[in-house]
Amino acid sequence: QKEVEQNSGPLSVPEGAIASLNCTYSDRVSQSFFWYRQYSGKSPELIMSIYSNGDKEDGRFTAQLNKASQYVSLLIRDSQPSDSATYLCAVNRLNTGNQFYFGTGTSLTVIP
Amino acid sequence: ETGVTQTPRHLVMGMTNKKSLKCEQHLGHNAMYWYKQSAKKPLELMFVYNFKEQTENNSVPSRFSPECPNSSHLFLHLHTLQPEDSALYLCASSRTGGGGQETQYFGPGTRLLVL
Repeated sequence: QKEVEQNSGPLSVPEGAIASLNCTYSDRVSQSFFWYRQYSGKSPELIMSIYSNGDKEDGRFTAQLNKASQYVSLLIRDSQPSDSATYLCAVNRLNTGNQFYFGTGTSLTVIP
Repeated sequence: ETGVTQTPRHLVMGMTNKKSLKCEQHLGHNAMYWYKQSAKKPLELMFVYNFKEQTENNSVPSRFSPECPNSSHLFLHLHTLQPEDSALYLCASSRTGGGGQETQYFGPGTRLLVL
């Protein structure tokens, strides 16, 4: 079983819609959760981090964490064409120190 | 210059060449990481250094040799690589590498092509 699983997509949404990206993880002791955005040919850029159950909002982005279900999601409101990228989910476990586990990413296209 | 920088940004090398990738972080962090990113695969953690000491080596072939002279600089020495080593090599840093609420910041990457 993979540590972190994401639907590879592609996910297409019209401009102005809400894009919903999902991620599941296998280890219950995972502590920290991250969403990165990666444009083609570029390096990952941190968008959100979340550590506690519930929602965390930052501008048009909302991260949702449900540790009981081992599920973390990213909502992008009022999607823009510039949001078109691959979104990587990553988790970190306290007991493994430096180990960050990444999903394969979900490709998002926002259609003007 | 701020953040995490990497040089070179692009590298083409033959299988018999020796080259080095360089990473420098200007964030005051103490942990640095090398990742490999191949198409359609998750980011693969290669090496981790925490306060200049190597703390992780994820079964990386010996043709990849890391070096961390101080907390701000990280090198990846390459020799006798194979074509399947062609990938984007990403450097990252974080504050302490101690786990918990730790955030990684990535450099721009080196796009490597092995012929």
